[in-house]
Amino acid sequence: QSVLTQPPSVSAAPGQKVTISCSGSSSNIGNNYVSWYQQLPGTAPKLLIYDNNKRPSGIPDRFSGSKSGTSATLGITGLQTGDEADYYCGTWDSSLSARVFGGGTKLTVL
Amino acid sequence: EVQLVESGGGLVQPGRSLRLSCAASGFTFDDYAMHWVRQAPGKGLEWVSGISWNSGSIGYADSVKGRFTISRDNAKNSLYLQMNSLRAEDTALYYCAKDNKKWGSSSDPYGMDVWGQGTTVTVSS
Repeated sequence: QSVLTQPPSVSAAPGQKVTISCSGSSSNIGNNYVSWYQQLPGTAPKLLIYDNNKRPSGIPDRFSGSKSGTSATLGITGLQTGDEADYYCGTWDSSLSARVFGGGTKLTVL
Repeated sequence: EVQLVESGGGLVQPGRSLRLSCAASGFTFDDYAMHWVRQAPGKGLEWVSGISWNSGSIGYADSVKGRFTISRDNAKNSLYLQMNSLRAEDTALYYCAKDNKKWGSSSDPYGMDVWGQGTTVTVSS
């Protein structure tokens, strides 16, 4: 059971927009930067968003991140079938003294 | 090319030990904190351990504290994970990963921007 709560699955049609939530507490999201990762089937995770809303070079602006209080959100616009993957949020938890990840959200592009 | 390559995984009996290695190339290894992250079959990501660029800051997940030891050799551009008293629940794909900012500690909330392909550890009798 992760301290960061994500919905197990989300779905949307190609071309549409989807958001994935990540809910935490003051010991993690509330006082730390949040990162987001994409894991395509059978591959290693890939950093999509860091410092709540920054994109590494090469990540298209279809991907965006935001944070408010103790929750963070990943947004994906212009959905493509290639976006089907598991998505994870991550941050530092000061109570656990540990990096933590959310349980992951499976995105299906219908 | 920036790359991380893990090795050392395998099948091991409960209670035994295993040492994982991660060879880094394509970046200045001793500028960055490094981490081990694992993924049990069909499950999500779990942070295992992290070490700062100069080994001055080290952290562990509660699930491995006292059993696993992380270390690094900056002269060899290598990261290690010594795993003792292995349990069935340690069975997973183990990734090494690099922080995306320089000179961080194991407790900084940085992103992990480079990941290896992983090495599989199976604990079973």
